[in-house]
Amino acid sequence: QVQLVQSGAEVKQPGASVKISCKASGYTFTSYYIHWVRQAPGQGLQWMGVVDPNGGSTSYAEKFQGRVTMTRDTSTSTVYMELSSLRSDDTAVYYCARVRCSGGGCYREAMDVWGQGTTLTVSS
Amino acid sequence: DIVLTQSPGTLSLSPGERATLSCRASRGLTSTYLAWYQQKPGQAPRLLIYDASSRATGIPGRFSGSGSGTDFTLTISRLEPEDFAVYYCQQYGSSPWTFGQGTKVEIK
Repeated sequence: QVQLVQSGAEVKQPGASVKISCKASGYTFTSYYIHWVRQAPGQGLQWMGVVDPNGGSTSYAEKFQGRVTMTRDTSTSTVYMELSSLRSDDTAVYYCARVRCSGGGCYREAMDVWGQGTTLTVSS
Repeated sequence: DIVLTQSPGTLSLSPGERATLSCRASRGLTSTYLAWYQQKPGQAPRLLIYDASSRATGIPGRFSGSGSGTDFTLTISRLEPEDFAVYYCQQYGSSPWTFGQGTKVEIK
């Protein structure tokens, strides 16, 4: 079945970096954009950016520009989200999510398959 | 950025009742690039509605979406016990994609 499986929980100190993985299975990896969305404790959803697994192009929310890097490895059908210069307010659950349809014409699309979430705690 | 404002913040209803959730955009959306998601505690969001009014695969017919421009609505015709959750709208027409702050549907 189609699924996204994320890496496990992380605890980091302020100023450190974290790299979270999202492994896709059950579909053609390079055909669907993947987004990253985070959710701070008790808060709503916040879009971070999107990566095209086909060519590797990315688009990031301005809030995270300069601190986030999204990459992919087509050999393992995995996308990565690296966030640097961590602060306490980066404490959140991070989700990867696949768009609903395949192909380059599906950039503007809803997200229909979500990973299980990765909890990041930033604390000294 | 397009700001999505959801109302009400909390909706207290009984099973079997009709739920009407609103999502208002700070400016008109490109086409009908609006989605609705359901989220239960400890779970990832689940896509219910895309393109403002199309039900996602496997979503029951009691969920429906409508609207265009700046005003959008999610309607749950008859609430089932499993529908009590938080609902988010999201626009994906203009970058950055943005989400509303959520509406919690709770049991009265």
